[in-house]
Amino acid sequence: EAEVAQSPRYKITEKSQAVAFWCDPISGHATLYWYRQILGQGPELLVQFQDESVVDDSQLPKDRFSAERLKGVDSTLKIQPAELGDSAMYLCASSFSGASTDTQYFGPGTRLTVL
Amino acid sequence: AQRVTQPEKLLSVFKGAPVELKCNYSYSGSPELFWYVQYSRQRLQLLLRHISRESIKGFTADLNKGETSFHLKKPFAQEEDSAMYYCAVGGYNKLIFGAGTRLAVHP
Repeated sequence: EAEVAQSPRYKITEKSQAVAFWCDPISGHATLYWYRQILGQGPELLVQFQDESVVDDSQLPKDRFSAERLKGVDSTLKIQPAELGDSAMYLCASSFSGASTDTQYFGPGTRLTVL
Repeated sequence: AQRVTQPEKLLSVFKGAPVELKCNYSYSGSPELFWYVQYSRQRLQLLLRHISRESIKGFTADLNKGETSFHLKKPFAQEEDSAMYYCAVGGYNKLIFGAGTRLAVHP
């Protein structure tokens, strides 16, 4: 069964360093999502792609976070520079069309620790 | 403001007892409602959605538009139901999640 892949699974970095996360959605899924999940909270959407275009990045801290999905397939989320408050689980999800009724399929996540 | 509230962080029951995980939402318009579940060491996955009106693993959820609630219920809890449960509201092509409720089913 096809799954969303993410790497790395764990990342420890020092503040002010740059980090990058990678996501490979389920083949054929047009919509890709990046979420941040702080301990004790639910996932919060950071950015949503429809194919290679950003359709929602209203919650993305654009002074330090960037995301791209150049060919409309896999995606990279970058943080530069990392801050202590960025420690969280970063989840990637994909769905077939991005409609509100679509099931979102989640990856295993990348747990980021900023020291 | 669009918001999903799950008032209980932890719900602890014994096997065979009924379970109700509460979810209240605040949303303008007509949202889609979902329950997602995360079992230990597994990824977050869809449990059920309102639009399908289905029962999955014995769980059901009823949408009460007057109370803006979408509580998840199961008449007889099983140990394998122990997991983290998230209520989510979908609209404008995005999901808003609640903070989650951990269900612990004891033997």
